[in-house]
Parts: sequence; C-alpha cells; structure tokens
Amino acid sequence: GAVVSQHPSWVICKSGTSVKIECRSLDFQATTMFWYRQFPKQSLMLMATSNEGSKATYEQGVEKDKFLINHASLTLSTLTVTSAHPEDSSFYICSAEREGKETQYFGPGTRLLVL
Amino acid sequence: EDQVTQSPEALRLQEGESSSLNCSYTVSGLRGLFWYRQDPGKGPEFLFTLYSAGEEKEKERLKATLTKKESFLHITAPKPEDSATYLCAGGGSQGNLIFGKGTKLSVKP
Repeated sequence: GAVVSQHPSWVICKSGTSVKIECRSLDFQATTMFWYRQFPKQSLMLMATSNEGSKATYEQGVEKDKFLINHASLTLSTLTVTSAHPEDSSFYICSAEREGKETQYFGPGTRLLVL
Repeated sequence: EDQVTQSPEALRLQEGESSSLNCSYTVSGLRGLFWYRQDPGKGPEFLFTLYSAGEEKEKERLKATLTKKESFLHITAPKPEDSATYLCAGGGSQGNLIFGKGTKLSVKP
C-alpha cells in the first residue's frame, strides 16, 4: 500500500509555456499533499503544502502565482508551472500523507526541462 | 532554526563491510524522525519512522536508532543493491519534513 504516482515523468517545454504535473495517491486517501523541488546533488526543498479543498500554503520564497497548486480531491493534487523559464528546470516531487498518519509517501518525480 | 545534518556526504563500502550513517537534528516539536532511500532519478522510498529516544527499527540489512539529538542508520553486511542516497528528515511541528542533504552510499562487489 501507499503508492503515489506522478505524471508526466519528464517534460520538455519552451520558455514561456505552462506545464501541469499531476500527483495521485493510488491506494489511499491523502488529506495533505506536498510539493518539493530537488536540484542536482541537493536535498529536497519543500515548495508548498496543500490540503484537500483549501488553498495551498507556500514556503518562503516560492511564488504562488507562478506555481499554482490545486488539491481538488483526496487522491489528486496538481502543480502548474506558469510561464516557465530555464531556471525552473528541476526535479519536482510530490508526496502524500495518509489520513491519520504522519508518514509522507513520495511519487517518482517529474523532471522538467525548460528550453 | 530547524536543521538536519547528515554525515558523511558519501560513503564507499566493500560488499559485506558494515557501517553507520549519522543524522543530527535540531527540530522543535519533533513529530518523528524519518529515513528514506532515494535512487538516482527517483522519488524517495520510505524506510522508517522513529518517534522516541531509544526506539529501534529494522528492515533486512538496515537498522535505525534514535537518541535525543541523533539518529543512526546501521547497514549490516551491505550488498551492491543497497547503493543509493539515504535521506534523513525531521518531522516539524507544522506537518512539514526538514530534510538533510543525504549520504550517498556506494557498495562495491
């Protein structure tokens, strides 16, 4: 149990376009989902926390108008990178916290390359 | 400020050579100490959660222990397939995870 999927696994886009990444908890309901970014040889940096049905809470320095997060159901959260630029190229990973539990289960990640 | 520090940054072992990875933490209102394994290009895979000093958990060749300031991940007789980056994270009072930078483990046959 506790499987989290992400789609797509990798994406290449042109500068100025928007990219949507989906995160799904496949076999459990997730009241809280998290979005992280990871640069090469660095650890995971939390971008935002989202609770189903409410607005996401963004970490300091993360632009909420650039990284739009929607958590419309207990099994799906989406991250949209709007007007992407080359500096947004990174590895984006989501995690989901099972209702009543404190452990986060991670998705496989989405590699974004902005040209 | 909440902080998690892992050492060493990288560790090379021969197959069968046991060792330990260290995780020092300063996290106010710690909700738990988490260990994950991350393979290149993949998301972290959950290994253990420890909640109180003195607690120990085991899974195959791995054993995690916890004190009030540190956690150790002991690897007994490692195999090449244990090669990965091991991440330690402290559970913060806001429901967040504060990650260390990880220890990259390489096990040579």
